[in-house]
Amino acid sequence: GDSVTQMEGPVTLSEEAFLTINCTYTATGYPSLFWYVQYPGEGLQLLLKATKADDKGSNKGFEATYRKETTSFHLEKGSVQVSDSAVYFCALISGTYKYIFGTGTRLKVLA
Amino acid sequence: GAGVSQSPSNKVTEKGKDVELRCDPISGHTALYWYRQSLGQGLEFLIYFQGNSAPDKSGLPSDRFSAERTGGSVSTLTIQRTQQEDSAVYLCASSQRQGNNKETQYFGPGTRLLVL
Repeated sequence: GDSVTQMEGPVTLSEEAFLTINCTYTATGYPSLFWYVQYPGEGLQLLLKATKADDKGSNKGFEATYRKETTSFHLEKGSVQVSDSAVYFCALISGTYKYIFGTGTRLKVLA
Repeated sequence: GAGVSQSPSNKVTEKGKDVELRCDPISGHTALYWYRQSLGQGLEFLIYFQGNSAPDKSGLPSDRFSAERTGGSVSTLTIQRTQQEDSAVYLCASSQRQGNNKETQYFGPGTRLLVL
């Protein structure tokens, strides 16, 4: 069945460091791919998405490119801030209404 | 406009008691989802409602779990005879069904359930 695999956390970085959170997927067909973020005490919010191969989703300085050849959707940010501290979830939806989520990666950014 | 709201935000109950969790989706959204987020785990799909169609209950973990959606809007997730392993954050999401797998789900803040 469809699945999403994210890198284990927590990830701890200093402010202004470069961030990469790896995400790979297994799916039949052509899924849409998403990154959701969950700030402390809040619900999940859509961060960015990409709906077809080679699309790049971007928002708030975060980027992810849909790589069909490597079945990946890695999240990157060039310079993280303390306010980026949160849990990040990679997800896919493939031909149905069911989202498949990864287990989440906790990011902690130190001032 | 208002987002997805859930109540209560926190619920502590004793093992064996029944609990009801409520979700108010975004107005006009036809699709509503319930998920469970256990500690250190991803989101586990529970149930899906779309308009007046029969719900997809395939994710409900046992017959102690049930959900209904009245009038195509508010939804209630009921857990009967709660067990300690039911302790988790229960998340509700809604979307405007597009039918092309590109839609975005909007999540509520969740209800944190603790079964003692």
